[in-house]
Amino acid sequence: GEDVEQSLFLSVREGDSSVINCTYTDSSSTYLYWYKQEPGAGLQLLTYIFSNMDMKQDQRLTVLLNKKDKHLSLRIADTQTGDSAIYFCAESISHFGNEKLTFGTGTRLTIIP
Amino acid sequence: GAVVSQHPSWVICKSGTSVKIECRSLDFQATTMFWYRQFPKQSLMLMATSNEGSKATYEQGVEKDKFLINHASLTLSTLTVTSAHPEDSSFYICSARVMFGEKLFFGSGTQLSVL
Repeated sequence: GEDVEQSLFLSVREGDSSVINCTYTDSSSTYLYWYKQEPGAGLQLLTYIFSNMDMKQDQRLTVLLNKKDKHLSLRIADTQTGDSAIYFCAESISHFGNEKLTFGTGTRLTIIP
Repeated sequence: GAVVSQHPSWVICKSGTSVKIECRSLDFQATTMFWYRQFPKQSLMLMATSNEGSKATYEQGVEKDKFLINHASLTLSTLTVTSAHPEDSSFYICSARVMFGEKLFFGSGTQLSVL
């Protein structure tokens, strides 16, 4: 079955880079996503990567995918206070034409002034 | 970007009553919508996949008679929690996929509290 794991907490000083890691178990995933959830709000899609890519960069965000190790990471450069949130990784698997997303437990990112 | 509107944002109801949650894609058509449930300090759990014009596909362990899903149009899906009980109290989030797209856009969620 599918299982996605993340560490629960990460604290980073303002201005430093944040690296949030995620491991997954299903090698048949097609896309891998990173979502941001601010308190009391829904999920905001940050970025995603197709499973045949190794890296994707989008402004301050860099996604690295190691398909062999089933490891996904999100790097946020120059972390700001507004980056404080819970970050969820998710893998997308197609079942008979329907896509199913399996989410990790989320990593709470805290910014230290 | 695409906007998904979810209402209400929060609702408090008495045990035994039914609650309807709406999920609308405001500026795009969504053939598929998803309903998730999130318990405190836990991840999102997919409850069901809703395809316009057809019956929803429920995940294992989700009672289809309790969580009624209707996706009558390309821009609206509803989740009705029937005969709600305190254990149904949770944060419910919907998401919608742009037609022929791979991105999912999420609503802001509904906090349901059943007394």
